Amino acid sequence: AQSVTQLDSQVPVFEEAPVELRCNYSSSVSVYLFWYVQYPNQGLQLLLKYLSGSTLVKGINGFEAEFNKSQTSFHLRKPSVHISDTAEYFCAVTNTGGFKTIFGAGTRLFVKA
Amino acid sequence: DAGVIQSPRHEVTEMGQEVTLRCKPISGHDYLFWYRQTMMRGLELLIYFNNNVPIDDSGMPEDRFSAKMPNASFSTLKIQPSEPRDSAVYFCASSPGGVEQFFGPGTRLTVL
Repeated sequence: AQSVTQLDSQVPVFEEAPVELRCNYSSSVSVYLFWYVQYPNQGLQLLLKYLSGSTLVKGINGFEAEFNKSQTSFHLRKPSVHISDTAEYFCAVTNTGGFKTIFGAGTRLFVKA
Repeated sequence: DAGVIQSPRHEVTEMGQEVTLRCKPISGHDYLFWYRQTMMRGLELLIYFNNNVPIDDSGMPEDRFSAKMPNASFSTLKIQPSEPRDSAVYFCASSPGGVEQFFGPGTRLTVL
């Protein structure tokens, strides 16, 4: 069985500051890893994904994430946030042998002016 | 492409009534997923289909819930009878190949 833990339920940050949203997972098999973003009253949108290869993955809107297999982590980072980045961010894991995706509880990023 | 389309966007019904949620996936996508999102339980996978065939329905909470995919361009999630604890936002997502998922805007269901 897999699980996903997002270590922070809320992250307040000032505009133009860097941010890191933390995600740890557990799985006994190989996984694919994802970060999705959800703006108010909308569905989830894929930010980035790790399937294989380079452990540093770049996504949309200037976000990136690093897969660390030894620490079973997939933290999301952005060097300088904007007010428009205010949203909920979900880390997710999928078993490479199937497509049942497990989502974390979400981290609400609040960017202040 | 118009993306994943869900209808209705909002549904308010009374306990005991039948509710049907609808989803039109992105053309060409062979996987379809139904999720439920609540504050208490987060985002839960209910069921997913591959080429219109249900693959895993272990997340369907009770026999009151059923899902169908009669063809590649349409799926329904039905709750009969509905209960107040079914109130949630229900998302449909489709995927080419099952890995990256494209979500619809969701249906907000309120059962009074």
